[in-house]
Amino acid sequence: EAGVAQSPRYKIIEKRQSVAFWCNPISGHATLYWYQQILGQGPKLLIQFQNNGVVDDSQLPKDRFSAERLKGVDSTLKIQPAKLEDSAVYLCASSLIGGRAFDEQFFGPGTRLTVL
Amino acid sequence: AQTVTQSQPEMSVQEAETVTLSCTYDTSESDYYLFWYKQPPSRQMILVIRQEAYKQQNATENRFSVNFQKAAKSFSLKISDSQLGDAAMYFCAYRRPSGNTPLVFGKGTRLSVIA
Repeated sequence: EAGVAQSPRYKIIEKRQSVAFWCNPISGHATLYWYQQILGQGPKLLIQFQNNGVVDDSQLPKDRFSAERLKGVDSTLKIQPAKLEDSAVYLCASSLIGGRAFDEQFFGPGTRLTVL
Repeated sequence: AQTVTQSQPEMSVQEAETVTLSCTYDTSESDYYLFWYKQPPSRQMILVIRQEAYKQQNATENRFSVNFQKAAKSFSLKISDSQLGDAAMYFCAYRRPSGNTPLVFGKGTRLSVIA
């Protein structure tokens, strides 16, 4: 089966510009996660969707970050305006939610953002 | 809140030798999952091994095994017969027991394999 797709793979922007990242999860996966991975750190959850509803966005900087998953399939994460500290790899992951106690999360290749 | 600590930023191992990566975590819950993920350079993160906290038996996947010490909140990864392809960042992660909760990651350990 196809994995989690993300685009673009790399993006370089100037501070105060806006940027958007796209994620297409594995077919049939109801849960989608966006993680931010700053250099030298482990990934940190930004937002979690189940179908097209937000489950957890407590760590999303809502003054500049937004995300949507309108049809419960693919998702877009936007930053506007970007700051230098937003330089990171943005990882998308997806998992089934079928009532089992454990559902593995599958990760995409990530988008590496550099803010100059 | 749960936290995960990896105290070894970098490790190295000779090819064919064994290496152990350390991880400790903090939680007040009695049931949870623990994971080791591998992130090769410029490639996506993949699951190496997982452990359910209610299982006393340590998980094993081919050359990878864990030493799970629940009382000590310790979860180390042992890689036996190390291969060049094992070189990567390794992340320890924690997750609450319900099916769709996010992962809490440590900062990672960069493993180098020397030929």
